[in-house]
Amino acid sequence: EAGVAQSPRYKIIEKRQSVAFWCNPISGHATLYWYQQILGQGPKLLIQFQNNGVVDDSQLPKDRFSAERLKGVDSTLKIQPAKLEDSAVYLCASSSNRVIGYTFGSGTRLTVV
Amino acid sequence: GDSVTQMEGPVTLSEEAFLTINCTYTATGYPSLFWYVQYPGEGLQLLLKATKADDKGSNKGFEATYRKETTSFHLEKGSVQVSDSAVYFCALTSGSRLTFGEGTQLTVNP
Repeated sequence: EAGVAQSPRYKIIEKRQSVAFWCNPISGHATLYWYQQILGQGPKLLIQFQNNGVVDDSQLPKDRFSAERLKGVDSTLKIQPAKLEDSAVYLCASSSNRVIGYTFGSGTRLTVV
Repeated sequence: GDSVTQMEGPVTLSEEAFLTINCTYTATGYPSLFWYVQYPGEGLQLLLKATKADDKGSNKGFEATYRKETTSFHLEKGSVQVSDSAVYFCALTSGSRLTFGEGTQLTVNP
Protein backbone atom coordinates (compact mmCIF):
# COMPACT_ATOMS: atom_id res chain seq x y z
CA GLU A 1 0.00 0.00 0.00
CA ALA A 2 1.12 3.55 -0.60
CA GLY A 3 2.42 5.37 2.45
CA VAL A 4 1.50 8.73 3.94
CA ALA A 5 2.43 11.45 1.47
CA GLN A 6 3.59 14.87 2.60
CA SER A 7 4.72 17.96 0.74
CA PRO A 8 6.84 19.93 0.52
CA ARG A 9 9.87 18.13 2.01
CA TYR A 10 11.60 21.36 2.90
CA LYS A 11 10.52 24.96 3.32
CA ILE A 12 12.44 28.08 4.31
CA ILE A 13 10.46 31.24 5.09
CA GLU A 14 11.02 34.51 6.87
CA LYS A 15 9.34 35.21 10.19
CA ARG A 16 5.86 36.68 9.90
CA GLN A 17 5.30 34.95 6.57
CA SER A 18 2.70 32.23 6.13
CA VAL A 19 3.22 28.60 5.10
CA ALA A 20 1.08 25.57 4.39
CA PHE A 21 1.82 21.86 4.50
CA TRP A 22 -0.15 19.10 2.81
CA CYS A 23 -0.75 15.49 3.84
CA ASN A 24 -2.46 12.60 2.07
CA PRO A 25 -2.99 9.65 4.43
CA ILE A 26 -3.15 5.97 3.62
CA SER A 27 -6.36 5.16 1.81
CA GLY A 28 -9.10 4.16 4.21
CA HIS A 29 -7.40 5.49 7.34
CA ALA A 30 -10.02 7.46 9.22
CA THR A 31 -7.67 9.04 11.76
CA LEU A 32 -5.11 11.65 10.77
CA TYR A 33 -2.58 13.38 13.04
CA TRP A 34 -0.25 16.34 12.72
CA TYR A 35 2.84 16.33 14.95
CA GLN A 36 5.54 18.94 15.50
CA GLN A 37 9.05 17.64 16.11
CA ILE A 38 11.55 20.23 17.27
CA LEU A 39 15.19 19.24 16.84
CA GLY A 40 16.32 16.96 19.65
CA GLN A 41 12.83 16.37 21.01
CA GLY A 42 10.08 13.80 20.60
CA PRO A 43 7.12 14.56 18.36
CA LYS A 44 4.32 16.54 19.96
CA LEU A 45 0.71 16.18 18.82
CA LEU A 46 -0.77 19.31 17.32
CA ILE A 47 -4.14 18.07 16.08
CA GLN A 48 -6.04 14.84 15.51
CA PHE A 49 -8.85 14.31 13.02
CA GLN A 50 -11.36 11.48 12.89
CA ASN A 51 -12.69 11.58 9.32
CA ASN A 52 -13.27 15.31 8.80
CA GLY A 53 -13.92 16.17 12.47
CA VAL A 54 -11.40 17.45 15.02
CA VAL A 55 -10.93 15.06 17.95
CA ASP A 56 -8.09 16.79 19.80
CA ASP A 57 -6.55 20.19 19.13
CA SER A 58 -5.66 21.03 22.72
CA GLN A 59 -1.97 21.59 21.91
CA LEU A 60 -2.49 23.55 18.70
CA PRO A 61 -1.47 27.23 19.01
CA LYS A 62 -4.72 28.45 17.53
CA ASP A 63 -3.65 32.07 17.30
CA ARG A 64 -1.31 31.15 14.44
CA PHE A 65 -1.88 27.52 13.48
CA SER A 66 -4.90 26.13 11.65
CA ALA A 67 -5.67 22.80 10.06
CA GLU A 68 -8.44 21.30 8.02
CA ARG A 69 -9.37 17.95 6.60
CA LEU A 70 -12.07 18.60 4.08
CA LYS A 71 -13.91 15.50 2.83
CA GLY A 72 -12.12 13.40 5.43
CA VAL A 73 -9.17 12.50 3.20
CA ASP A 74 -6.18 14.82 2.76
CA SER A 75 -5.31 17.59 5.17
CA THR A 76 -3.59 20.97 5.24
CA LEU A 77 -1.76 22.55 8.17
CA LYS A 78 -1.15 26.31 8.02
CA ILE A 79 0.98 28.68 10.05
CA GLN A 80 0.29 32.40 9.84
CA PRO A 81 2.33 34.33 10.85
CA ALA A 82 5.37 32.12 11.43
CA LYS A 83 7.76 32.66 14.32
CA LEU A 84 11.37 31.56 14.69
CA GLU A 85 10.34 28.93 17.25
CA ASP A 86 8.12 27.23 14.65
CA SER A 87 11.25 25.83 13.01
CA ALA A 88 10.70 22.07 13.22
CA VAL A 89 9.75 18.98 11.26
CA TYR A 90 5.99 18.67 10.79
CA LEU A 91 4.93 15.05 10.65
CA CYS A 92 1.64 13.68 9.42
CA ALA A 93 0.45 10.24 10.49
CA SER A 94 -2.61 8.14 9.83
CA SER A 95 -4.17 5.16 11.50
CA SER A 96 -7.09 2.80 11.07
CA ASN A 97 -6.67 1.25 14.50
CA ARG A 98 -4.59 2.62 17.37
CA VAL A 99 -3.59 -0.85 18.52
CA ILE A 100 -2.20 -1.79 15.13
CA GLY A 101 -0.21 1.40 14.94
CA TYR A 102 0.31 4.64 13.14
CA THR A 103 2.05 5.23 9.82
CA PHE A 104 4.09 8.39 9.50
CA GLY A 105 5.00 10.43 6.46
CA SER A 106 8.54 11.65 5.83
CA GLY A 107 7.71 15.07 7.22
CA THR A 108 8.19 18.66 6.14
CA ARG A 109 11.23 20.42 7.55
CA LEU A 110 10.41 24.07 8.16
CA THR A 111 13.10 26.66 8.80
CA VAL A 112 11.98 30.14 9.85
CA VAL A 113 14.68 32.79 9.47
CA GLY B 1 -1.63 13.04 31.88
CA ASP B 2 0.16 10.32 29.97
CA SER B 3 3.92 10.54 29.72
CA VAL B 4 6.94 8.55 28.56
CA THR B 5 10.45 8.81 30.00
CA GLN B 6 13.46 7.48 28.10
CA MET B 7 17.05 7.16 29.16
CA GLU B 8 19.09 10.13 28.13
CA GLY B 9 21.41 9.83 25.18
CA PRO B 10 23.39 9.85 23.17
CA VAL B 11 24.42 6.21 23.38
CA THR B 12 27.57 5.10 21.57
CA LEU B 13 28.39 1.42 21.16
CA SER B 14 30.78 -0.73 19.22
CA GLU B 15 29.44 -3.15 16.65
CA GLU B 16 28.17 -6.44 18.17
CA ALA B 17 27.68 -4.86 21.62
CA PHE B 18 24.53 -5.41 23.66
CA LEU B 19 21.99 -2.61 23.63
CA THR B 20 19.47 -1.55 26.25
CA ILE B 21 17.44 1.65 26.04
CA ASN B 22 15.26 2.19 29.08
CA CYS B 23 11.68 3.40 28.83
CA THR B 24 9.15 3.93 31.61
CA TYR B 25 5.66 5.31 31.31
CA THR B 26 2.77 6.86 33.19
CA ALA B 27 -0.72 6.30 31.85
CA THR B 28 -4.31 5.83 32.86
CA GLY B 29 -5.98 2.62 31.81
CA TYR B 30 -4.15 0.02 29.78
CA PRO B 31 -1.95 1.62 27.15
CA SER B 32 -0.44 0.01 24.08
CA LEU B 33 3.32 0.50 23.91
CA PHE B 34 5.51 1.13 20.89
CA TRP B 35 9.09 1.66 19.83
CA TYR B 36 9.64 3.83 16.76
CA VAL B 37 12.94 4.37 14.95
CA GLN B 38 14.01 7.40 12.96
CA TYR B 39 16.96 6.98 10.60
CA PRO B 40 18.84 10.11 9.52
CA GLY B 41 16.76 12.18 7.13
CA GLU B 42 13.79 9.82 7.27
CA GLY B 43 10.39 9.68 8.93
CA LEU B 44 9.36 7.61 11.93
CA GLN B 45 9.02 3.87 11.41
CA LEU B 46 7.29 1.47 13.74
CA LEU B 47 9.89 -0.95 15.11
CA LEU B 48 7.78 -3.07 17.46
CA LYS B 49 4.74 -2.95 19.69
CA ALA B 50 3.00 -4.67 22.62
CA THR B 51 -0.64 -4.29 23.49
CA LYS B 52 -0.99 -5.91 26.91
CA ALA B 53 1.01 -6.83 30.00
CA ASP B 54 3.74 -9.45 29.53
CA ASP B 55 3.52 -9.21 25.73
CA LYS B 56 6.90 -9.21 23.99
CA GLY B 57 7.29 -7.22 20.80
CA SER B 58 10.14 -8.13 18.47
CA ASN B 59 11.48 -7.11 15.09
CA LYS B 60 14.88 -7.04 13.33
CA GLY B 61 16.57 -8.54 16.40
CA PHE B 62 15.12 -5.92 18.75
CA GLU B 63 12.88 -6.94 21.65
CA ALA B 64 10.85 -5.21 24.34
CA THR B 65 8.56 -6.67 27.02
CA TYR B 66 5.52 -4.84 28.43
CA ARG B 67 6.06 -4.84 32.21
CA LYS B 68 2.97 -3.52 33.96
CA GLU B 69 4.40 -3.98 37.47
CA THR B 70 7.36 -1.71 36.73
CA THR B 71 5.57 0.38 34.04
CA SER B 72 8.47 -0.24 31.69
CA PHE B 73 9.10 -1.20 28.07
CA HIS B 74 12.88 -1.40 27.71
CA LEU B 75 14.33 -1.94 24.23
CA GLU B 76 17.08 -4.57 23.84
CA LYS B 77 19.22 -6.03 21.09
CA GLY B 78 21.86 -8.66 21.59
CA SER B 79 24.30 -7.52 18.89
CA VAL B 80 24.00 -4.11 17.29
CA GLN B 81 25.16 -3.21 13.80
CA VAL B 82 26.36 0.05 12.28
CA SER B 83 23.07 0.18 10.38
CA ASP B 84 21.17 0.41 13.69
CA SER B 85 22.46 3.95 14.20
CA ALA B 86 19.32 6.07 14.54
CA VAL B 87 17.09 7.81 17.05
CA TYR B 88 14.76 5.51 18.99
CA PHE B 89 11.45 6.73 20.45
CA CYS B 90 9.33 4.97 23.03
CA ALA B 91 5.61 5.80 22.77
CA LEU B 92 2.24 4.85 24.17
CA THR B 93 -1.42 5.19 23.34
CA SER B 94 -4.07 5.47 26.01
CA GLY B 95 -7.17 6.61 24.24
CA SER B 96 -6.36 7.69 20.73
CA ARG B 97 -3.40 10.01 21.33
CA LEU B 98 0.11 8.69 20.64
CA THR B 99 2.52 10.16 23.22
CA PHE B 100 6.28 10.03 22.62
CA GLY B 101 9.34 10.12 24.79
CA GLU B 102 12.17 12.50 23.97
CA GLY B 103 14.13 9.97 21.95
CA THR B 104 17.53 8.31 22.39
CA GLN B 105 20.25 8.80 19.81
CA LEU B 106 22.20 5.59 19.14
CA THR B 107 25.51 5.57 17.30
CA VAL B 108 27.17 2.25 16.50
CA ASN B 109 30.82 2.37 15.50
CA PRO B 110 32.51 -0.33 13.40
